[in-house]
Amino acid sequence: QLQLQESGPGLVKPSETLSLTCTVSGGSISSSSYYWGWIRQPPGKGLEWIGSIYYSGSTYYNPSLKSRVTISVDTSKNQFSLKLSSVTAADTAVYYCARLTVTTWYFDLWGRGTLVTVSS
Amino acid sequence: QSVLTQPPSVSGAPGQRVTISCTGSSSNIGAGYDVHWYQQLPGTAPKLLIYGNSNRPSGVPDRFSGSKSGTSASLAITGLQAEDEADYYCQSYDSSLSKVFGGGTKLTVL
Repeated sequence: QLQLQESGPGLVKPSETLSLTCTVSGGSISSSSYYWGWIRQPPGKGLEWIGSIYYSGSTYYNPSLKSRVTISVDTSKNQFSLKLSSVTAADTAVYYCARLTVTTWYFDLWGRGTLVTVSS
Repeated sequence: QSVLTQPPSVSGAPGQRVTISCTGSSSNIGAGYDVHWYQQLPGTAPKLLIYGNSNRPSGVPDRFSGSKSGTSASLAITGLQAEDEADYYCQSYDSSLSKVFGGGTKLTVL
C-alpha cells in the first residue's frame, strides 16, 4: 500500500525559506502514471494547490506562488521536496503532499499533513 | 476568493438527501475539465470521494454521487449519516491557473 509522509521543521521565521520533504513508501515515485504535488491549508481555511512535479523533474506551479516556490524530486530516495522562500505569517498552514493522476488530474492519495507555523 | 464557488455550509437530518454545488467558469468546468470531490473529516487529510465528475473510488459508498453540467457540478449524498459530517471540496483544472479547489462546504448532520 503506497503511503506518503511529510517531514520538515514545524516552525519557520518570517523572511526565511520553508523546506519540506515528502517520502513515498510502498511504491515507486518513478511511475509514468502520476505527478506528485503539494497542497496547503491555512488554519480554518480551504485547500490551495502549490505545485506539482513529475519524476523526470517537470514542474507546474500555482501562478500566485510561482515566484517563491521550488519543487524538486530525488528518485534515488523516492522523495520530492518543497521550498517556499520569503515566508510570512500568511504561509502558516498544514502542508500536504499528494499523488496526482496524469491526464485526469485528481489527487488520489494524500499524506497526513504537517503544520508549519511562520513566527519569530 | 476561490476560482470554484461552493456554499459555505449545508445541513440535513439523518436519512435525508443533501447536495453541494460547485460553480466555475468557461476556463475550468465549462471548458470541459473534470470535477473531483474530496471529503475532509475533522482533523484529517482530505480523501478522494468522487473523480472524473461521477466515479467513486473503491470503498466509497454509493450514497455519494457526482454530476456535472455546463459550468457547474454537484455532489449528492443520500441516506445522510452522522459520519458524513465533514468538509467537502470540489477540484478541477483551470486553463490559466492549473489545479484549482473550491472554497469548501461544511456539512452538518442535524
